[in-house]
Amino acid sequence: EPEVTQTPSHQVTQMGQEVILRCVPISNHLYFYWYRQILGQKVEFLVSFYNNEISEKSEIFDDQFSVERPDGSNFTLKIRSTKLEDSAMYFCASSEEGTGNSPLHFGNGTRLTVT
Amino acid sequence: GNSVTQMEGPVTLSEEAFLTINCTYTATGYPSLFWYVQYPGEGLQLLLKATKADDKGSNKGFEATYRKETTSFHLEKGSVQVSDSAVYFCALRRSNYQLIWGAGTKLIIKP
Repeated sequence: EPEVTQTPSHQVTQMGQEVILRCVPISNHLYFYWYRQILGQKVEFLVSFYNNEISEKSEIFDDQFSVERPDGSNFTLKIRSTKLEDSAMYFCASSEEGTGNSPLHFGNGTRLTVT
Repeated sequence: GNSVTQMEGPVTLSEEAFLTINCTYTATGYPSLFWYVQYPGEGLQLLLKATKADDKGSNKGFEATYRKETTSFHLEKGSVQVSDSAVYFCALRRSNYQLIWGAGTKLIIKP
């Protein structure tokens, strides 16, 4: 079964550094997402992306965050200047459609640790 | 606003016990409802879904029925196995893009 893949599985970075988290969504999916889960807290929506532009973003997704689909297969999340509170598990997801009943398929996540 | 409330964990059961994990939601309109599972060290996997009232989602012996009158989507399984140990998340999605998540319920099954 096709799956969403994320790299790296674990990223350690120093505060103030830029990080790029990478994702390869399922090939025939058109909608892409980033979620994050701070340890011990709920999964939180960051951003959705369709047709090469952001469809929706949360309050968390401020100017320090950006997303890009640089080619036909990758979908990236960039954090320009990481803060300690950015430490979390970041999940990429994709779906065939943007309608409510189209399920999201998630990758295994990237654990980001900011020191 | 939209929200999902799940029973707090951890839930600890013996193998072959009956499982219920409660989930209730608050939403405007008619959301789709989902259960996701996260096995240790892995990502979020879709377990089952229901897209309208009275729909029953089922997968791997798990079931959940979309109850509009009680705004609930409780997860059940008749006989759990050690391999079912994981964190279970209830979530809803309206016609926009976001999934709204419950806090997750950790399930521990003892042999």
